Amino acid sequence: DIVMTQSPDSLAVSLGERATINCKSSQSVLYSSNNKNYLAWYQQKPGQPPKLLIYWASTRESGVPDRFSGSGSGTDFTLTISSLQAEDVAVYYCQQYYSTQFTFGPGTKVDIK
Amino acid sequence: EVQLVESGGGLVQPGGSLRLSCAASGFTFSSYSMNWVRQAPGKGLEWVSYISSSSSTIYYADSVKGRFTISRDNAKNSLYLQMNSLRAEDTAVYYCARGPTPAAIGGNWFDPWGQGTLVTVSS
Repeated sequence: DIVMTQSPDSLAVSLGERATINCKSSQSVLYSSNNKNYLAWYQQKPGQPPKLLIYWASTRESGVPDRFSGSGSGTDFTLTISSLQAEDVAVYYCQQYYSTQFTFGPGTKVDIK
Repeated sequence: EVQLVESGGGLVQPGGSLRLSCAASGFTFSSYSMNWVRQAPGKGLEWVSYISSSSSTIYYADSVKGRFTISRDNAKNSLYLQMNSLRAEDTAVYYCARGPTPAAIGGNWFDPWGQGTLVTVSS
């Protein structure tokens, strides 16, 4: 199975500042035939189901604010919130869909400093 | 509006069985793959099972293989998860989640998600 790790476990950022979350896969999730990275990012607020933010590692889902961006390739990926807002307090998960044993990272909790 | 509504959760004894349902509306259910994803209390997300739009392809997480069965009824716009031989470690909120648009060949992200149904396995 592809193991997903995230860092840090949690972070606190001042309003308006940048938040950066890292995700690493135990093997490459880049599919060479189409040059796509099989990775998604989700946001989960307390008491709510997760919400899709990013797929194909960097494609923002419709309706997601452009302060959210995804980058990276192969085994190393980053979710960046360019200017943290109060409503961004949540746990963020990465997920690979390269293997048919779909796996999530353990999550990164984002709070306001 | 796309909606997914899970039902069927509850308290069950170890070794028991439960059948979860997910009622879909607001989209052409028969065109989309579907998934079950669970979340133990206070823990992270764990994918459980996938079923393609026509039921021709099914995957399970190793942790539930041989005990859980996913199915769907496209005429009823419904997704199911039959859970047998339940264990304490199966205690979780179970979410149904839609796969991507059929045009996204090879993709399996989850969007949207239902609100979830809680399954508690305890004596």
